[in-house]
Amino acid sequence: GQQVMQIPQYQHVQEGEDFTTYCNSSTTLSNIQWYKQRPGGHPVFLIQLVKSGEVKKQKRLTFQFGEAKKNSSLHITATQTTDVGTYFCAEETSGSRLTFGEGTQLTVNP
Amino acid sequence: GAGVSQSPRYKVTKRGQDVALRCDPISGHVSLYWYRQALGQGPEFLTYFNYEAQQDKSGLPNDRFSAERPEGSISTLTIQRTEQRDSAMYRCASSLLGRTGELFFGEGSRLTVL
Repeated sequence: GQQVMQIPQYQHVQEGEDFTTYCNSSTTLSNIQWYKQRPGGHPVFLIQLVKSGEVKKQKRLTFQFGEAKKNSSLHITATQTTDVGTYFCAEETSGSRLTFGEGTQLTVNP
Repeated sequence: GAGVSQSPRYKVTKRGQDVALRCDPISGHVSLYWYRQALGQGPEFLTYFNYEAQQDKSGLPNDRFSAERPEGSISTLTIQRTEQRDSAMYRCASSLLGRTGELFFGEGSRLTVL
């Protein structure tokens, strides 16, 4: 089963509002990856976090890895309709197996 | 090709039939992964290969599922004696380096078992 828990499962925002999704694990993670899946599309890699406390930014997206490497977050500032989709975190378990969370489905009302 | 290619894109079959799903990874990618994704859920790991060697098949649901990658490039996921519960999107992904590498997903093969 899944080892990473993602919350919330769904998030509806008005365009321009901020959005955050959280990924939590009961175990220390070696690294964590984030993917975005547009409706009807396939998962697309966004970023990988490796270091404790790491913060990375991609334009309006900010990714954080917790100090204890047990949690991570993705924050989107001033959402746009192009941000619609499901955001997944994924952790590496037992070798190179990548285990995905259940995802947070984001809808943005224009 | 430029990306991961999967075929067929859609497969409708009758219960009890065997199906074979094909994945052509990005050229030069060492690792190839198979996932299954139900609607509204995250991809569920099935198995993965480094070159032609199957490294981990612990995610395969039962012995009706098998996968191979004989020449370290194209892979086939075979489901024997399909059941309705096998209906799902089957996704293939490849990565250049394997461990901790970014996964590139294909468009998937949508399997419907009647």
